[in-house]
Amino acid sequence: AQSVAQPEDQVNVAEGNPLTVKCTYSVSGNPYLFWYVQYPNRGLQFLLKYITGDNLVKGSYGFEAEFNKSQTSFHLKKPSALVSDSALYFCAVRVRLNSGYSTLTFGKGTMLLVSP
Amino acid sequence: NAGVMQNPRHLVRRRGQEARLRCSPVKGHSHVYWYRQLPEEGLKFMVYLQKENIIDESGMPKERFSAEFPKEGPSILRIQQVVRGDSAAYFCASSLGTSGSSNQPQHFGDGTRLSIL
Repeated sequence: AQSVAQPEDQVNVAEGNPLTVKCTYSVSGNPYLFWYVQYPNRGLQFLLKYITGDNLVKGSYGFEAEFNKSQTSFHLKKPSALVSDSALYFCAVRVRLNSGYSTLTFGKGTMLLVSP
Repeated sequence: NAGVMQNPRHLVRRRGQEARLRCSPVKGHSHVYWYRQLPEEGLKFMVYLQKENIIDESGMPKERFSAEFPKEGPSILRIQQVVRGDSAAYFCASSLGTSGSSNQPQHFGDGTRLSIL
């Protein structure tokens, strides 16, 4: 089954420090990978995606993610965390439906808490 | 540009009642997806629709749940005879093309929080 896993329920980091939110994937073929962020009582906001090309993908709000094929990972990173980055982060992968069309399947989410 | 609009934001129903959740996609988007989010879980795909067509409903329960995306008006997710287990946040997303296309991320609404008494 095609899936993503987020091994950490929560990540704590001090403001100004670098942050990493981990994601590993299991898909057949070339993966299309995405990161979304969810603030309280809001929908998911698209951060970045990897389709092909450079392994380091840059996205919104200073976030970036590194695609690593050998480790089947797509970790989200930011060089210097902000308190306002505190939110729930979801990794997602494109999956093929029975109909032949595609949608996204999401990890369980990782809560990022940035302390002042 | 308005994003995906969902209403109501919060919906309270008693067991056995019907719940109707509405979603207006981003203007120009013809692809709509519905997801359900249970507490402390990720989003689970329910159904994928294009205008007037259900493309894939493999994630939707066979009974009590239905969805439509008429030619005019919003997409509707309908839950009949609701039970406590239906309590969740329901999110709608839209895209310009299928999410399988390389440049077509899904845009999400803020969700409807459904509570069953």
